Amino acid sequence: NAGVTQTPKFRILKIGQSMTLQCTQDMNHNYMYWYRQDPGMGLKLIYYSVGAGITDKGEVPNGYNVSRSTTEDFPLRLELAAPSQTSVYFCASSYPQQGENYGYTFGSGTRLTVV
Amino acid sequence: KQEVTQIPAALSVPEGENLVLNCSFTDSAIYNLQWFRQDPGKGLTSLLLIQSSQREQTSGRLNASLDKSSGRSTLYIAASQPGDSATYLCAVKSVSRLTFGEGTQLTVNP
Repeated sequence: NAGVTQTPKFRILKIGQSMTLQCTQDMNHNYMYWYRQDPGMGLKLIYYSVGAGITDKGEVPNGYNVSRSTTEDFPLRLELAAPSQTSVYFCASSYPQQGENYGYTFGSGTRLTVV
Repeated sequence: KQEVTQIPAALSVPEGENLVLNCSFTDSAIYNLQWFRQDPGKGLTSLLLIQSSQREQTSGRLNASLDKSSGRSTLYIAASQPGDSATYLCAVKSVSRLTFGEGTQLTVNP
């Protein structure tokens, strides 16, 4: 059981480039999330999904897009990278039912630098 | 909007000391509260999960309490060790999302 897997672990982008951060989970969790963590700060929610085909914005969605075509995968797309998007990105998932008292499982993160 | 605050932001203690980390949240309509540990440059490791109907949870030297009505949680670490040095994050689960505090950076000195 791999849990939540994120790729790549590290990436350097030039301003204006685009990339996709991959996230996959094998726990059959309906809920998936993308967070970013800036140095010395807590995690801020970018986007989340409550199931395949359903996504919604979190606190800081600008500059990002997501899709959820399968239960397992929840990629995060950066279209025009900006220095403000330099951060560590974490993907997470949680167990099916909204309101159930289950915790979250996190991936190991993707460290992105935009220069 | 849920806001989560952790105090102190940083804490340095000698090995063997018992210590308490604090977490407060503004909206008591929560499903659960989760404490995480984060080592430098690493991901998040879940330590304890307290459901909204519970008052505390224990795992080894860790004990977490929850007072939902007052919007507070504490993480108690007994007999601290240098290996406990890390950032500890508190996160509150509300409808569809988890809201994080900014963490307490703990250093345990040998």
